[in-house]
Amino acid sequence: RKEVEQDPGPFNVPEGATVAFNCTYSNSASQSFFWYRQDCRKEPKLLMSVYSSGNEDGRFTAQLNRASQYISLLIRDSKLSDSATYLCVVNPTGGGNKLTFGTGTQLKVEL
Amino acid sequence: DAGITQSPRHKVTETGTPVTLRCHQTENHRYMYWYRQDPGHGLRLIHYSYGVKDTDKGEVSDGYSVSRSKTEDFLLTLESATSSQTSVYFCAITGPDNTEAFFGQGTRLTVV
Repeated sequence: RKEVEQDPGPFNVPEGATVAFNCTYSNSASQSFFWYRQDCRKEPKLLMSVYSSGNEDGRFTAQLNRASQYISLLIRDSKLSDSATYLCVVNPTGGGNKLTFGTGTQLKVEL
Repeated sequence: DAGITQSPRHKVTETGTPVTLRCHQTENHRYMYWYRQDPGHGLRLIHYSYGVKDTDKGEVSDGYSVSRSKTEDFLLTLESATSSQTSVYFCAITGPDNTEAFFGQGTRLTVV
C-alpha cells in the first residue's frame, strides 16, 4: 500500500461547480498534512495546511479525519484558473522532515 | 518567492555519462531535498540534507549521490546516467518551522 494515495483523475468540472478530492495515508502517527498545487510543467506550491479542526481559505476548505486516515480538499465555485494538479502531502512522524507526496489529482475546469 | 534556483533547467545527456545538478538557496535554510517526479509515481525523495556535510538517503537513492559543502548549495550527481533516470528533478528547502516546502523550478533531464 502506498503511504499516500490519491485518485489521479482527471476531474472535469464546469466553471462554478463544487469539487472535492480525498487522500488517504497509511501512517496513523503522521502529524502534518498539506495540499500543494502544481501547474503543468511547474514546481509544486503550498495551497494550504490541513489542521485537525479543519481550515478554510476563501473558496478552499481542507479537512482531516484521523480516525479514517484521510484528508480532503473542497473547492467551491470553481474557476478556470483552478485547473491544476493537487498534491496531497504528509509529514510522517519520525521521518525527520521528509514530506511524502501523493501522485496528485488532476482538475480541469471547463467553460 | 523563496530564493531557490536549480541549474541547469534542461539537460540531455548520454547513457553512462556523469551528470551533476545544482540547487542553490539564498534563505539559509537547514534542510534541503532532491526529488524526482515521474508520471504515475508523483514526487519521490532521492536524498536530503539536514546541514553542511550531513546527508541521508531517500526512497529512490540508488544511482545518485549528493554533496553539501555549503549551506546554500546542494548538489545531486548521477554517477553514470541511465535511461531510467530520465525525469524531472526538483530541489526543495523547508523553512525554520520545518513545515512548508519551497521548490525550485525543476530540471528536466533526458538520458538518451
